[in-house]
Amino acid sequence: DAKTTQPNSMESNEEEPVHLPCNHSTISGTDYIHWYRQLPSQGPEYVIHGLTSNVNNRMASLAIAEDRKSSTLILHRATLRDAAVYYCILLTDSWGKLQFGAGTQVVVTP
Amino acid sequence: GAVVSQHPSRVICKSGTSVKIECRSLDFQATTMFWYRQFPKQSLMLMATSNEGSKATYEQGVEKDKFLINHASLTLSTLTVTSAHPEDSSFYICSARVRMGGHEQYFGPGTRLTVT
Repeated sequence: DAKTTQPNSMESNEEEPVHLPCNHSTISGTDYIHWYRQLPSQGPEYVIHGLTSNVNNRMASLAIAEDRKSSTLILHRATLRDAAVYYCILLTDSWGKLQFGAGTQVVVTP
Repeated sequence: GAVVSQHPSRVICKSGTSVKIECRSLDFQATTMFWYRQFPKQSLMLMATSNEGSKATYEQGVEKDKFLINHASLTLSTLTVTSAHPEDSSFYICSARVRMGGHEQYFGPGTRLTVT
């Protein structure tokens, strides 16, 4: 399975941007980059996904490196509600199976 | 839209009994549903892939006779933990892909199983 590497944790002040890096050096040409987040005691929540081009939605932006070996999830203005574990996952399976890694714990400080 | 529910949210059962957990897509049809297990302070582990009308596909190391999965309709999948033991105590989460939809998966709120 294609793997991703993320920092264990990141801390941010409220209302400041958060840049979450993800390395995926073994990504193949057809792998999509997905991001999910999980708040405590809840199921994960879809955040964003992309293939080659940068993507924006109401929750976040996804910046994908030109060689696709890394990507960055950008939360433009962190709020306390954004405190969660963020998972960067490569979707390699046509059925859509997601293999979760350890993720990055985001801590938002008031 | 794209809401997935699970029932029950919490269940406590005695060792040796069986427990059924339901996963429903409330406002969409799901061709494929997935079951995950999450132990405290760990990440989610994919257990099985469930397709409507066919047998589930289990990940390596997951006992299919212990974790029975039924996907009877496009909106309902069930996970039955048979002969539960304390080591089966965990947070069980399902997810669903929208039929003819995009890549994203929608997750249920999870079911906390405690086996005493």
